[in-house]
Amino acid sequence: GIQVEQSPPDLILQEGANSTLQCNFSDSVNNLQWFHQNPWGQLINLFYIPSGTKQNGRLSATTVATERYSLLYISSSQTTDSGVYFCAVMGGYQKVTFGTGTKLQVIP
Amino acid sequence: NAGVMQNPRHLVRRRGQEARLRCSPMKGHSHVYWYRQLPEEGLKFMVYLQKENIIDESGMPKERFSAEFPKEGPSILRIQQVVRGDSAAYFCASSPLREPTDTQYFGPGTRLTVL
Repeated sequence: GIQVEQSPPDLILQEGANSTLQCNFSDSVNNLQWFHQNPWGQLINLFYIPSGTKQNGRLSATTVATERYSLLYISSSQTTDSGVYFCAVMGGYQKVTFGTGTKLQVIP
Repeated sequence: NAGVMQNPRHLVRRRGQEARLRCSPMKGHSHVYWYRQLPEEGLKFMVYLQKENIIDESGMPKERFSAEFPKEGPSILRIQQVVRGDSAAYFCASSPLREPTDTQYFGPGTRLTVL
């Protein structure tokens, strides 16, 4: 099956700093999503981005499908951005594989 | 349009008891997926169901776990004779599947604790 690696595994930021999270996948994919899991465990869909670039407020994401990677940018980070960020890819028919996650802590 | 609903949100069971987790998909979605998240890990696919059919159960443990999605009512993930290692968050997702690559929409999860 598809392997999904995320980096870095852990990240500590000062409030207001910017960051880039990376997701690498081992095979071509039909769909890619970024999720934020908040400290209460709730899974929030951030982006559906099989290719190209999208922006939503302070967050943006870019997927380069031919190079098999996706990037999530967080600008002007806030404490509410803390949690775990997952990349999830759909390779085969509706088979979603989640990455290992990046645990982000934003400190005031 | 209400999102994917799961209940209960938290479930505590003693070893050997049965756990039943329910998932109601979004309106108009007839495809349901279950995922398990062990502590400090990512989500792992368990099973994919359509109404009255199991499409892919390659991620389900071979024993004690079963899933159904009846013609009427929610999808049920059933765990018999629970053990401590079953403690995890169980997420359900649904999709309209108009296209094979349609996005899956995730519910809030059920957190199972086995004492």
